[in-house]
Amino acid sequence: AQTVTQSQPEMSVQEAETVTLSCTYDTSESDYYLFWYKQPPSRQMILVIRQEAYKQQNATENRFSVNFQKAAKSFSLKISDSQLGDAAMYFCALSTNFGNEKLTFGTGTRLTIIP
Amino acid sequence: DTAVSQTPKYLVTQMGNDKSIKCEQNLGHDTMYWYKQDSKKFLKIMFSYNNKELIINETVPNRFSPKSPDKAHLNLHINSLELGDSAVYFCASSQDRGGHREQFFGPGTRLTVL
Repeated sequence: AQTVTQSQPEMSVQEAETVTLSCTYDTSESDYYLFWYKQPPSRQMILVIRQEAYKQQNATENRFSVNFQKAAKSFSLKISDSQLGDAAMYFCALSTNFGNEKLTFGTGTRLTIIP
Repeated sequence: DTAVSQTPKYLVTQMGNDKSIKCEQNLGHDTMYWYKQDSKKFLKIMFSYNNKELIINETVPNRFSPKSPDKAHLNLHINSLELGDSAVYFCASSQDRGGHREQFFGPGTRLTVL
């Protein structure tokens, strides 16, 4: 079985500042993928960033980057230069390959941006 | 153009009724999913289909029956609705079964059972 844990139910950050959301996971698979999805108040789930476990280099997408610590099974999301539009629920998720390619989600972190 | 669409967006019904939620994707994807998000925002997989074939069934009560008439559509029928079925149901699709694939989500259907 695979599990994903997000220990921060809520976070807040001042606009233009940097914030880090934490995620830990557990899986017995050696080949897996990690994701951060964003769910704004509109409810639409949107992929923010993706990391392949076999890649040592941390993924980056514009203002979003991850700190992937494979040995510690940790996958945190850093948002730089926070903007009002970043306010949302953020879900960490894990997927493995054929036969178990469903997304296993964490419980989410609600991020508030303070103007 | 909406990539993954669901109808209806809101559904309010009485306990014991039967209801259906429809999902369509115009991305040409092979794989589709149903997820349930409960009142605490926890998201959990229910079913997955690949090219109309059921590949994941996560111990969901058999009152829930998915149907995929073609690979662009995945519908969810729920019999004898219970209060605990109240949730937001999300349909998603991905290019194929690869675990690395991005899943594209629909807007969700908020089901309220009274």
